[in-house]
Amino acid sequence: EVHLVQSGAEVKKPGESLKISCKGSGYSFTSYWIGWVRQMPGKGPEWMGIINPGDSDTRYSVSFQGQVTISADRSISTAYLQWSSLKASDTAMYYCARPQRAMRAYDAFDIWGQGTLVTVSS
Amino acid sequence: QSALTQPASVSGSPGQSITISCTGTSSDIGSYNYVSWYQQHPGKAPKLMISDVSNRPSGVSIRFSGSKSGNTASLTISGLQADDEADYYCSSYTRSSSLFVFGAGTKVTVL
Repeated sequence: EVHLVQSGAEVKKPGESLKISCKGSGYSFTSYWIGWVRQMPGKGPEWMGIINPGDSDTRYSVSFQGQVTISADRSISTAYLQWSSLKASDTAMYYCARPQRAMRAYDAFDIWGQGTLVTVSS
Repeated sequence: QSALTQPASVSGSPGQSITISCTGTSSDIGSYNYVSWYQQHPGKAPKLMISDVSNRPSGVSIRFSGSKSGNTASLTISGLQADDEADYYCSSYTRSSSLFVFGAGTKVTVL
């Protein structure tokens, strides 16, 4: 069975760095892009960006370009989302998700991780 | 402000049909058949219900159907059931630098 399992909830202070993870299993990790989606409390999802774990080709929404870094380590079937300096406005649930079709970057997400809650507060 | 416009809430009685609209522009819904719909229950991850305007993924009930006309997409839920009570989000590919946009969501209440 296909699964995406994310790392646990984080509580951080403004200015701190953070890297959260998403481990894929049950499928060929390098055959599917992995995307990240932000959902702020009480709001709709926001598409942040997506990475091809096979060659690390990465695409960002303009809203998130320069604000976060998406990476992947195909040797351990894991994708990452990281911040170098967190802000209170980064407080949200973050989901990783897999597109429906192999080798497609721009596609509906049919497999989702359970989410990682990031809280940034002084 | 979300790029796609959805009604904040829609309600219906068990067994009835409801339709949720999702209005975009010629840069997204109007130009591409990459419209999808997600269901989200409280505290859970979104679940894909419809992709490519009207395709139902395996395992999704036939009571869910999607369509598009011009810049507006729609999700219809027929034979409304208690478990359909959830938030529903539309999404579309966009030629803008956002790449993908979502709606703000519609809360479906089963009366």
